[in-house]
This record gives sequence, C-alpha cells and structure tokens, in this order.
Amino acid sequence: QQQVRQSPQSLTVWEGETAILNCSYEDSTFNYFPWYQQFPGEGPALLISIRSVSDKKEDGRFTIFFNKREKKLSLHITDSQPGDSATYFCAASWTSSGQKLVFGQGTILKVYL
Amino acid sequence: GGIITQTPKFLIGQEGQKLTLKCQQNFNHDTMYWYRQDSGKGLRLIYYSITENDLQKGDLSEGYDASREKKSSFSLTVTSAQKNEMAVFLCASSRDRNSGNTLYFGEGSRLIVV
Repeated sequence: QQQVRQSPQSLTVWEGETAILNCSYEDSTFNYFPWYQQFPGEGPALLISIRSVSDKKEDGRFTIFFNKREKKLSLHITDSQPGDSATYFCAASWTSSGQKLVFGQGTILKVYL
Repeated sequence: GGIITQTPKFLIGQEGQKLTLKCQQNFNHDTMYWYRQDSGKGLRLIYYSITENDLQKGDLSEGYDASREKKSSFSLTVTSAQKNEMAVFLCASSRDRNSGNTLYFGEGSRLIVV
C-alpha cells in the first residue's frame, strides 16, 4: 500500500524550462510534507517543506503548491538548471508520528542544455 | 555543522551471512534512523531510535536487528543476507523525534550479496 505516490517516475526538461513534479497522498492526517533532493552517490538532503496549513511555499526557484482537499502537492522548479538533475522525493508525516516520514518512490529529473 | 558517517561504503557478503552496517553522527542529535533504498521504491524505514538504548521498529524491520549503544552511533545488522536484499542502506539523524525536524542523511552503504 503506497501511502505517498509520485509522478512522473522520470522527467526530462531543457535548461530554462519549468519542471513540475507531482505528489499525492492517502492519509488525510498527514500534515507535514518535505521534499528531499538526492544526487547520485549521496544521501538525500532537505530541499523545501510545507505544512498543511499553507497552500504555497516558495524558496528561490523552488515552489510547493499544496491542495489539501485533493490531497495533492507539486514541486515547481523554475528556470531549471543542469545542476538540478537529481532524484526528488516527496515525503509526509503527521504530528503524532514524530519523524516517521513516509517517502514516495521518487522522480528522476534530468535537465539538458 | 555536522556529518553522518556510514561504514563500510560497500559491504559484500555471502547468502545467509550476518552482516553489520555502522553509522556515526556528530550533530549530537537524539534520533537516528536506518532506511533502505531500492530503485523505484523510495525509502523505507527499517529501524529508528529516539535515544541511547532505545529501538523502534519501522515498516521493514523483519530480517534486521539494530543497536544504539551510544548517542552518536547506530548500527544495523542483516541477520541472514539474501540476494533480494541488495540495496542501499541510508542512515539519518534528526534533532529529536518531533514532526518537522530535518533528517540529515549519510551517503549510504551498498549491500552486495553473492
């Protein structure tokens, strides 16, 4: 049972384009949604996060859009750069779970020149 | 800043063998985690520990043991290695067990079973 689902599995964009990575979840008690970025040979690192009381969170070129009613969120990467090529994981947790994050299966992003 | 150090980076063992992965953190974090990463399946929690000598099972704990003898270290043992267990094992730590704290990951240890 996949509680957090990501799509697409892989995504290719050209430099300068906006990449859109999607995430959906099943458990309506989830209230914290971090996105982690992983480069080959490295561990994941926190990129940006949002709590369910907000519908948008922006950090430079990275923006999370959150739709609580539909249980969906998306990560938009504007002006994509080759250095953004990585695997992106959407994750979720709820207050009483502490830090028991549930991860999606990841989206592999490739940005070409 | 701090760092998570996982050893070894590659662990090769035979089927049925007991194999141990080690993790050290110098963040002085309370909580530590072991995740398994399989291609196309994301990260799945094996064990976590909220303090020294504490152990909590994750979703994938069967076939694994863990040990948190010191605050700074957390080890994971594969009790009987199987070929379908070849994956990357990621250790992480967070300040405490409260929701919303950042997880800091090590670079991973790749398990190869021959």
